[in-house]
Amino acid sequence: DAGVIQSPRHEVTEMGQEVTLRCKPISGHNSLFWYRQTMMRGLELLIYFNNNVPIDDSGMPEDRFSAKMPNASFSTLKIQPSEPRDSAVYFCASSLPELANYGYTFGSGTRLTVV
Amino acid sequence: SQKIEQNSEALNIQEGKTATLTCNYTNYSPAYLQWYRQDPGRGPVFLLLIRENEKEKRKERLKVTFDTTLKQSLFHITASQPADSATYLCALVANTGNQFYFGTGTSLTVIP
Repeated sequence: DAGVIQSPRHEVTEMGQEVTLRCKPISGHNSLFWYRQTMMRGLELLIYFNNNVPIDDSGMPEDRFSAKMPNASFSTLKIQPSEPRDSAVYFCASSLPELANYGYTFGSGTRLTVV
Repeated sequence: SQKIEQNSEALNIQEGKTATLTCNYTNYSPAYLQWYRQDPGRGPVFLLLIRENEKEKRKERLKVTFDTTLKQSLFHITASQPADSATYLCALVANTGNQFYFGTGTSLTVIP
């Protein structure tokens, strides 16, 4: 298995532009999570899906952020318009229903820089 | 507010010694706690899980303890090696949900 696949690995964009981050979870994993990591705040949960349905989006910073999971093999995180304070590494993770036994499998992340 | 704290300072130890990392939490009632390893430029990798009714868990050179009275977990790496150098994150799941909340991590450097 190729693991959780995220694209792009790096994204540099100008303030005000729309940014779309992509994630392909591991086949058979029914939960998908988007996290943001910064030096100051560590890993913050933004949103998670169970069986393609958003369960908790209370971590999404504001209306500029949106996430979708149209099917079991694809999810997107969109920021529109982007701001410099959105600069961070964004991780996607997926898990089996038995989360306790196996934990998350993380992707390699997308490093976003907004200038 | 809920908080998860790990050793705020980076930890440097000599090869062969035991590294001990701390994870303290407040205002949680965790069902279980996990430890992850993160290397630069990579996502975290799951290492070990311990449940609230377990005191200790071992896996090869790794040992995790969980004290729900002290609200603390300790993560030990015995016979440490330079390849163990990484950032280690603790994560816990509250009884009320199924998502993990992560600590900020402790950077460990094992000196040859």
